[in-house]
Amino acid sequence: QKEVEQNSGPLSVPEGAIASLNCTYSDRGSQSFFWYRQYSGKSPELIMFIYSNGDKEDGRFTAQLNKASQYVSLLIRDSQPSDSATYLCAVNPANQGGKLIFGQGTELSVKP
Amino acid sequence: EPEVTQTPSHQVTQMGQEVILRCVPISNHLYFYWYRQILGQKVEFLVSFYNNEISEKSEIFDDQFSVERPDGSNFTLKIRSTKLEDSAMYFCASSVGQPYGYTFGSGTRLTVV
Repeated sequence: QKEVEQNSGPLSVPEGAIASLNCTYSDRGSQSFFWYRQYSGKSPELIMFIYSNGDKEDGRFTAQLNKASQYVSLLIRDSQPSDSATYLCAVNPANQGGKLIFGQGTELSVKP
Repeated sequence: EPEVTQTPSHQVTQMGQEVILRCVPISNHLYFYWYRQILGQKVEFLVSFYNNEISEKSEIFDDQFSVERPDGSNFTLKIRSTKLEDSAMYFCASSVGQPYGYTFGSGTRLTVV
């Protein structure tokens, strides 16, 4: 059974701080990795994807991938109250087309 | 910005009834998906669809479920005989290809009573 694990939180950070969200996955052959943001009662919204080891930056967001450790993370710099949401890690397993397996999500709360 | 459109936003149905959930994917996208999320639980894959056929399906997607792309724009999920445990938010998604992420629709909340 291919799994994606996240700490459910809640993770609470003060406004302006760096929030660090972590995810591990079980399928070593996984190809690509995604971070989605989901506000309560809404649909997931793509933040960014990564498929090579290392860091990928997009504005205040940085995704980090370490395939050897089967670990992917998301850093949010200068956190804002509007970043308060559940962050979903999703993994595309090997040989399963575009299917994504989602983690449980980490609830982030940014306090003003 | 292009959107994936889902209708209806909320559907209430009696157990045993058939429901059809409708989606209009983004026009130049080639891959289509249905996911569901039971309240408080993970987003779960149901089915993927490419080139007018199912490319992957999960164990959840049993004989009670079917998908169809009846014309060039719509993508539907049919549940033939709904059960109480089918109550969930159903999301349609589309993507232009892999490894690009999906765009999700706003979802249909299905309540089976």
